[in-house]
Amino acid sequence: QKEVEQNSGPLSVPEGAIASLNCTYSDRGSQSFFWYRQYSGKSPELIMSIYSNGDKEDGRFTAQLNKASQYVSLLIRDSQPSDSATYLCAVMRGNQFYFGTGTSLTVIP
Amino acid sequence: SAVISQKPSRDICQRGTSLTIQCQVDSQVTMMFWYRQQPGQSLTLIATANQGSEATYESGFVIDKFPISRPNLTFSTLTVSNMSPEDSSIYLCSVWGASTDTQYFGPGTRLTVL
Repeated sequence: QKEVEQNSGPLSVPEGAIASLNCTYSDRGSQSFFWYRQYSGKSPELIMSIYSNGDKEDGRFTAQLNKASQYVSLLIRDSQPSDSATYLCAVMRGNQFYFGTGTSLTVIP
Repeated sequence: SAVISQKPSRDICQRGTSLTIQCQVDSQVTMMFWYRQQPGQSLTLIATANQGSEATYESGFVIDKFPISRPNLTFSTLTVSNMSPEDSSIYLCSVWGASTDTQYFGPGTRLTVL
């Protein structure tokens, strides 16, 4: 079983819609959770971090964490073409990081 | 966040040669990592660069092929030795610790081996 799994995608949404990206993790000892965005040809950049159950909002982005279900998600409201990228879920346990394989999102104008 | 630079940003190399990639951070960090990312693929961790001791390599990666140095808390190098076309990839340095609460990535080095 992989440490971190993401819905495989690719995911396409129309401009202005809500994009929903999902991630599950296998180890209940995981402490910290992150979403990275990676544009083609660029390195990953951190967009959200979440540490406790519930929702965390930052602008158009909302991260949701449910530790009982071992599930973390990222919602992007009012999706824009500039949001088209690959989104990586990452989980931290101790001093180890585990990355998912990424979900490719395309926002169609 | 940390500001990370990598050199070179890209290179084209001949089979059988070696290339050393440098990673510099603007502040002291606890951990430095080296990743490889092939086109359209996810990140693959090569090794954790340990300050003052040998790097910790992931399964499938060996020191003879990917020697790593980390002489201090802000600098590391990765060498790709005896290169083959299969080593063509983007190599990424990342850092964690001290003033950072997650991993931050450098801009990457795009390597093409002919």
